[in-house]
Amino acid sequence: GESVGLHLPTLSVQEGDNSIINCAYSNSASDYFIWYKQESGKGPQFIIDIRSNMDKRQGQRVTVLLNKTVKHLSLQIAATQPGDSAVYFCAENMDDYKLSFGAGTTVTVRA
Amino acid sequence: SQTIHQWPATLVQPVGSPLSLECTVEGTSNPNLYWYRQAAGRGLQLLFYSVGIGQISSEVPQNLSASRPQDRQFILSSKKLLLSDSGFYLCAWSVLRGSGELFFGEGSRLTVL
Repeated sequence: GESVGLHLPTLSVQEGDNSIINCAYSNSASDYFIWYKQESGKGPQFIIDIRSNMDKRQGQRVTVLLNKTVKHLSLQIAATQPGDSAVYFCAENMDDYKLSFGAGTTVTVRA
Repeated sequence: SQTIHQWPATLVQPVGSPLSLECTVEGTSNPNLYWYRQAAGRGLQLLFYSVGIGQISSEVPQNLSASRPQDRQFILSSKKLLLSDSGFYLCAWSVLRGSGELFFGEGSRLTVL
């Protein structure tokens, strides 16, 4: 089965508010994690990544937090916009070549 | 810059018919190549990956096969499609061994009737 999972399948957020998407992983040996965004009918696009030697990494309006103690990953989106509506996947590296993906969280932004 | 092309974008096939989905990558050499399948409302399931020409690793037993006849070409095939083969198929590539970001194509939606 999947080793990466998300806490909630859907998230509804008011435009302008901050969004937090959570992900739990089970492989304590994983050393690399990625968040992807997938818009309807398209392939996933890279948002941000983080290595296990870091706790936090920031991008443009996005922040990824990694808690290795509880094997938890989160994606924070600041000032959520309508264009942020999509399915968000977390992924962890399983070995040298493979990423394992969670089931995804569907984010809907309310105007 | 690197680009990935995947076709056809949409395909409707009868049960028992063959399948061929093609993926090509431009702008890079010796990429790692991947085929993923995404069922409706689900995550991405890795089907095959390849680290070089003629080298194919299968992740799950299934009705599908993959081939890599050229460095930047990856083909997903089936001799006889099943209803359960319906889904959204994604090709992807990476260049780094380990901890590498995957770059995805736009996907091919297959409906088996």
